[in-house]
Amino acid sequence: GNSVTQMEGPVTLSEEAFLTINCTYTATGYPSLFWYVQYPGEGLQLLLKATKADDKGSNKGFEATYRKETTSFHLEKGSVQVSDSAVYFCALKAGANSKLTFGKGITLSVRP
Amino acid sequence: SQTIHQWPATLVQPVGSPLSLECTVEGTSNPNLYWYRQAAGRGLQLLFYSVGIGQISSEVPQNLSASRPQDRQFILSSKKLLLSDSGFYLCAWSVSGRTRTAPNYGYTFGSGTRLTVV
Repeated sequence: GNSVTQMEGPVTLSEEAFLTINCTYTATGYPSLFWYVQYPGEGLQLLLKATKADDKGSNKGFEATYRKETTSFHLEKGSVQVSDSAVYFCALKAGANSKLTFGKGITLSVRP
Repeated sequence: SQTIHQWPATLVQPVGSPLSLECTVEGTSNPNLYWYRQAAGRGLQLLFYSVGIGQISSEVPQNLSASRPQDRQFILSSKKLLLSDSGFYLCAWSVSGRTRTAPNYGYTFGSGTRLTVV
């Protein structure tokens, strides 16, 4: 079946540090890949996505590249801000009628 | 544009009381609809999903039920709440699987309901 594995958290960084959050997946076919962000007390928001191999999704300074050869979709940001403190979920969708499969999420805390 | 509304935002209910959480979607037709629960410090647990009016699939056995009386309305209910029902409940929608580009689209989530059972 489909699955998403995220690195263990939580992650604590200082402001302006470089961020990498690892995400690997297992899926049949050619899934679409997503990163969602959940700010404290809110629902999930789509941060970025990629729908085919080598696509790069980007938004708000975050980037992730769909790597089919390593089945990965790692999230990166060059300089994090305190306002980036949130829970980040990696997810995949493999097919028109399939449901989103989420990773467990990772909490990011950014110190001023 | 499409919007999703979920209410109430917070709810405190005694054990044994009933529950009704409502979710509505605007600006689209025949969406797929989902109810998730997020316990404190935990990931997302899919509770129910629906691909059409009156069509409900349950992912886990539990004290909750769901109904879809109208195309863009999804209701989460319980007859008698348990302490373990406390959590953050999220409604979400996605384009129908019959849409050609459906694989490229994720879900759009509501703002959530914080339920505390006391």
